[in-house]
Amino acid sequence: EVQLVESGGGFVQPGGSLRLSCETSGFSFSNYWMSWVRQAPGKGLEWVANIKWDESEKNYVESVEGRFSITRDNSRNSLYLEMNSLRAEDTAIYYCATVSSGSSADYWGQGTRVTVSS
Amino acid sequence: DVVMTQSPLSLSATVGQPASISCKSTRTLVSDDGNTYLNWFQQRPGQSPRRLLYKVSNRDTGVPDRFSGSGSGTNFTLEISRVETEDVGLYYCMQATHWPPITFGPGTKLDIK
Repeated sequence: EVQLVESGGGFVQPGGSLRLSCETSGFSFSNYWMSWVRQAPGKGLEWVANIKWDESEKNYVESVEGRFSITRDNSRNSLYLEMNSLRAEDTAIYYCATVSSGSSADYWGQGTRVTVSS
Repeated sequence: DVVMTQSPLSLSATVGQPASISCKSTRTLVSDDGNTYLNWFQQRPGQSPRRLLYKVSNRDTGVPDRFSGSGSGTNFTLEISRVETEDVGLYYCMQATHWPPITFGPGTKLDIK
């Protein structure tokens, strides 16, 4: 059974930091690009960042560039998102996902909620 | 960035009847490798998104054949041949041809009349 389990979300004040984790199992994690996708309350999906299987390439949406950092540990089948200088507009459910564009299977976690508020 | 638009943004469908959602991009989604990286996702209430179709028209494992996709270039369509109550939710198109960033449409909310 494929599982992606996010953790690390919570309530944080503006300017604060959080580290999200995503533990995966049941698929060949080390063969996949991995992404974080977020969904603000009542809003649509927004791709945040992705990372190549060997960490040789990382990409970010412009609004988080310089504040967020995506990493992975293939030995632990885990994905991470370090979030710094958090803003109210970062409030969202954060999903860990493969976001496959081709014929590879596509997997999503259940999400972890991040709330940035004073 | 490639902007994705969808219409309608809200759709009230009748069980057993067809329904369709349009998705348009501001740039052709044909990649240099000849593929068109346009996906469709379903998000049922309270659930995570689930990919239904990839590369315009290829159904994911377990997706009912009442879901189909078509289109090319900048214009795409998701069709449900006979809507069922379990189809209620949000539907998103997504492009992964010109990235970063990967971009999603705004979503179409499907409910039952």
